[in-house]
Amino acid sequence: DVKVTQSSRYLVKRTGEKVFLECVQDMDHENMFWYRQDPGLGLRLIYFSYDVKMKEKGDIPEGYSVSREKKERFSLILESASTNQTSMYLCASRGGRAYNEQFFGPGTRLTVL
Amino acid sequence: AQSVTQLGSHVSVSEGALVLLRCNYSSSVPPYLFWYVQYPNQGLQLLLKYTTGATLVKGINGFEAEFKKSETSFHLTKPSAHMSDAAEYFCVVSPFSGGYNKLIFGAGTRLAVHP
Repeated sequence: DVKVTQSSRYLVKRTGEKVFLECVQDMDHENMFWYRQDPGLGLRLIYFSYDVKMKEKGDIPEGYSVSREKKERFSLILESASTNQTSMYLCASRGGRAYNEQFFGPGTRLTVL
Repeated sequence: AQSVTQLGSHVSVSEGALVLLRCNYSSSVPPYLFWYVQYPNQGLQLLLKYTTGATLVKGINGFEAEFKKSETSFHLTKPSAHMSDAAEYFCVVSPFSGGYNKLIFGAGTRLAVHP
């Protein structure tokens, strides 16, 4: 079974803190993605990576950065957390072509106080 | 810009009744189409997908969807709802060309199944 794991299910941070969300996949997929999920808005793409050290901005990259030093690991960084970044964060990975499915992790529910 | 519209943010059906979740997309070129399901406190899981070929696509758990190019629709159906089908369902488009790494998600439809 494909496994995408995320470092935390629930996280509570304070405004201004630096936050790291980690994602690991075990299927040797080239592509990895970070989304945030908010009620009524579906999923919105923050960043994606198509190879080690390669990244591209998604639809809502402001306030976020990413790191991909190893193929299996993709990190999302909130440099200075703000209350409007309270959300569910989902990581996904995909091998090969666009018609292949994305495999999702269980999500991290982040609350910024 | 391409978009996905799911009609009805909440749908409620009785156990054993037909499930119909509606999805329309806007695209000049037929994209790849997916339905994902999200059970409470879990990530998304693929139900089914359409890429090319047969327009009626069968997925897991008895769900199916039909791609209708003339209507730009990809509605999801299941003949008989089960309590375990209660979840949120997302219709998703993957552009056929350009920006191929980006999925476009509908806002989601939350399905409730009552006894």
